[in-house]
Amino acid sequence: QQPVQSPQAVILREGEDAVINCSSSKALYSVHWYRQKHGEAPVFLMILLKGGEQKGHEKISASFNEKKQQSSLYLTASQLSYSGTYFCGTVNAGNNRKLIWGLGTSLAVNP
Amino acid sequence: GAGVSQTPSNKVTEKGKYVELRCDPISGHTALYWYRQSLGQGPEFLIYFQGTGAADDSGLPNDRFFAVRPEGSVSTLKIQRTERGDSAVYLCASSRGLAGAGTGELFFGEGSRLTVL
Repeated sequence: QQPVQSPQAVILREGEDAVINCSSSKALYSVHWYRQKHGEAPVFLMILLKGGEQKGHEKISASFNEKKQQSSLYLTASQLSYSGTYFCGTVNAGNNRKLIWGLGTSLAVNP
Repeated sequence: GAGVSQTPSNKVTEKGKYVELRCDPISGHTALYWYRQSLGQGPEFLIYFQGTGAADDSGLPNDRFFAVRPEGSVSTLKIQRTERGDSAVYLCASSRGLAGAGTGELFFGEGSRLTVL
């Protein structure tokens, strides 16, 4: 039931792009993306609802393909501040309350 | 307060002892969640409150774990007869609505790090 994230870890140079994927074996109602820096609480990035929507905030965007039960997070022209662990959380269709989290993708952006 | 507040930030206890972890959510947030996070893992769902009632407690690992939210605001996670495997960061999050709905952004506290010796 836990979503699978890939890759497990990414190392970028400042200005490079990255894609983080999240997939589930269950039909999904929504996908949630958060970023957590070491020793800090997770911080909300965005929620995507079924319907194949895309969302974006500055240079971070995401897509949700409900047919494939997949979501992807796109980081464009990465900044040093993007470093951290990215978690996707999924809510299964039929269960609108419980977020199940993936294991996370560690992203390091170097100068 | 401005954000979700959790106390204590760190708790070291001996195996077999009882501990309480407190969460003070953002004012007005009706939904409150407890998660447990071990090193290198994503947050693991424990329990979810909507108001005063536990809407979903299916994530509590066993009957040593219990949580309350008597007045629909502050919540306390209670762990009896602690074991070394209970060591983790316990995260609390609040939300205006259901996390599965479009407005369900979760606001997390800094967490309570529990170490059972």
